Amino acid sequence: EVQLVESGGGLAQPGRSLRLSCAASGFIFDDSAMHWVRQAPGKGLEWVAGINWNSDSIGYADSVKGRFTISRDNAKSSLYLQMNSLTAEDTALYFCAKGTAAGSYTNNWFDPWGQGTLVTVSS
Amino acid sequence: EIVLTQSPVTLSLSPGERATLSCRASQSVSTYLAWYQQKPGQSPRLLIYDASHRATGVPARFSGSGSGTDFTLTISSLEPEDFAVYYCQQRSNWLTFGGGTKVEIK
Repeated sequence: EVQLVESGGGLAQPGRSLRLSCAASGFIFDDSAMHWVRQAPGKGLEWVAGINWNSDSIGYADSVKGRFTISRDNAKSSLYLQMNSLTAEDTALYFCAKGTAAGSYTNNWFDPWGQGTLVTVSS
Repeated sequence: EIVLTQSPVTLSLSPGERATLSCRASQSVSTYLAWYQQKPGQSPRLLIYDASHRATGVPARFSGSGSGTDFTLTISSLEPEDFAVYYCQQRSNWLTFGGGTKVEIK
């Protein structure tokens, strides 16, 4: 069974940093692109960042470009999101999602999703 | 950026009724469109990909249709577990989601 377990969320002050992790199991991790998708409280879904299987194709939403960095460690079957210069607009539940393709982060559906880790940015 | 507009925002129906959800793209996405279901307190679940292909384990009462800019998700006969929020997503140009349609019990 495919499992994605996020961790690292919590309360951060504006301007500070957080690092999210996603531990994957039940599939060959380096056969898939991986993504972070977020959902602000009571709102819809927003794709945040994606990374292909070998990290040579990476993309970000305009809202986080230059502040967030996605990375992966295939040896550890883990995905990461380094979030710097956090603002209140970054408050959301952050989901890790497996992409349905390997070679590029762009031509993907998201299946499955983890349960999410909550990030709250507030002073 | 391709904008996906879902309608209606809320759909009030009774179990056993047919649900028809719409997703309109600001420019053609061919058939590069998916539908997801999200129940309260749960993560989204892929239902339909490539506009009309059911994902593994998705009941046959869910069907998707459309191409270009206009897409439809149909639930032929609503079961109690189908009351949820449904999102469309495109992968033709970047990755974007629609705003969602909530299917609620009437």
